[in-house]
Amino acid sequence: DGGITQSPKYLFRKEGQNVTLSCEQNLNHDAMYWYRQDPGQGLRLIYYSQIVNDFQKGDIAEGYSVSREKKESFPLTVTSAQKNPTAFYLCASSITADYEQYFGPGTRLTVT
Amino acid sequence: SQQGEEDPQALSIQEGENATMNCSYKTSINNLQWYRQNSGRGLVHLILIRSNEREKHSGRLRVTLDTSKKSSSLLITASRAADTASYFCACTFSGGYNKLIFGAGTRLAVHP
Repeated sequence: DGGITQSPKYLFRKEGQNVTLSCEQNLNHDAMYWYRQDPGQGLRLIYYSQIVNDFQKGDIAEGYSVSREKKESFPLTVTSAQKNPTAFYLCASSITADYEQYFGPGTRLTVT
Repeated sequence: SQQGEEDPQALSIQEGENATMNCSYKTSINNLQWYRQNSGRGLVHLILIRSNEREKHSGRLRVTLDTSKKSSSLLITASRAADTASYFCACTFSGGYNKLIFGAGTRLAVHP
């Protein structure tokens, strides 16, 4: 059963703590993405990776970090430097950058 | 901003009616994509239309693209209650690095 998974579905953290969100895909896609969605809004790109061991900042990368050590995995760390981290985080993948993206179910992060 | 902007922001119709959503953008695109999101879930890809295409169909969905007007429309025919969701257009732009830019979406409610 191919797809893209994110865990956990809900995550709660105290302010000042770093937290890592998991994203795994078994679609053999080269490109992977992280988006942030705030209530009633569209998606904003945090980071993306077109190939293993390479990634680029998106529009709102400040306070976030990523790694791409394996083709299947693209974890996102929300650091304490992110001023407003409470949001819905979506991971996606695509064959290459100019094709349709497949999304995971999302992780809802709440920081108090 | 280059982003796609959907119109209307919200649409409420009865089952069996057609639903039309529009998307406008500001600069030349490589492709335009439509996605659907059920409340609190990940996005599902519906249709990708490239800049040299004018119309695409998929089941009850019809997408048109008018590059002279920098606009696209998504038509859902014979709508069903299960079509209730948010619909987003997203573009990749010429000269960029093929990242998707999402609009804020149209919230569609289909009443039985």
